Amino acid sequence: DSGVTQTPKHLITATGQRVTLRCSPRSGDLSVYWYQQSLDQGLQFLIQYYNGEERAKGNILERFSAQQFPDLHSELNLSSLELGDSALYFCASSGTVDTEAFFGQGTRLTVV
Amino acid sequence: GESVGLHLPTLSVQEGDNSIINCAYSNSASDYFIWYKQESGKGPQFIIDIRSNMDKRQGQRVTVLLNKTVKHLSLQIAATQPGDSAVYFCAENMSGGSNYKLTFGKGTLLTVNP
Repeated sequence: DSGVTQTPKHLITATGQRVTLRCSPRSGDLSVYWYQQSLDQGLQFLIQYYNGEERAKGNILERFSAQQFPDLHSELNLSSLELGDSALYFCASSGTVDTEAFFGQGTRLTVV
Repeated sequence: GESVGLHLPTLSVQEGDNSIINCAYSNSASDYFIWYKQESGKGPQFIIDIRSNMDKRQGQRVTVLLNKTVKHLSLQIAATQPGDSAVYFCAENMSGGSNYKLTFGKGTLLTVNP
């Protein structure tokens, strides 16, 4: 158990819908990262937050957004969902931006 | 664009043998590399890392070798065990060693036969 908790574990939704994925980092970790894992693209960095502020952005679509709350949990919002958004979404956390990141178990999103 | 890639998508070894998983990277500016292990249904798990000022680093049963001349990274697992069966990813970072913006390779599936 990495200590990073993601909910839900599985999510099935229809195209055009909006979903929110939630991540609770390890106790004390200030940095949260979101990654998308699909069969054809592998693991892709989406976005990083540190202590509530956005630190880095990767290949995140405009239809996607994220935030980190004062209690340090983070949410990834995916809207206007398309079939191609079906993937595993991982959250990772670390103490600072320069230490090992621990990954959660992921949320498997299926868009039908 | 520049990317991290793996030479072999699958690797099958016998229990007790040594395993070598290879990775090629194309960005000479990358200065930090990590190997992750991902078991079925789980998130990636950190195995070992290496910075560009080193060419070898050893952990418990694992060794990472970095050849900057040919932009090649390898993970050696000694005395491979069934529990080592997983997908292994190499990842590179181009931001001075921070964890964010890691670029992952496609992964190599390691199967250990008893």
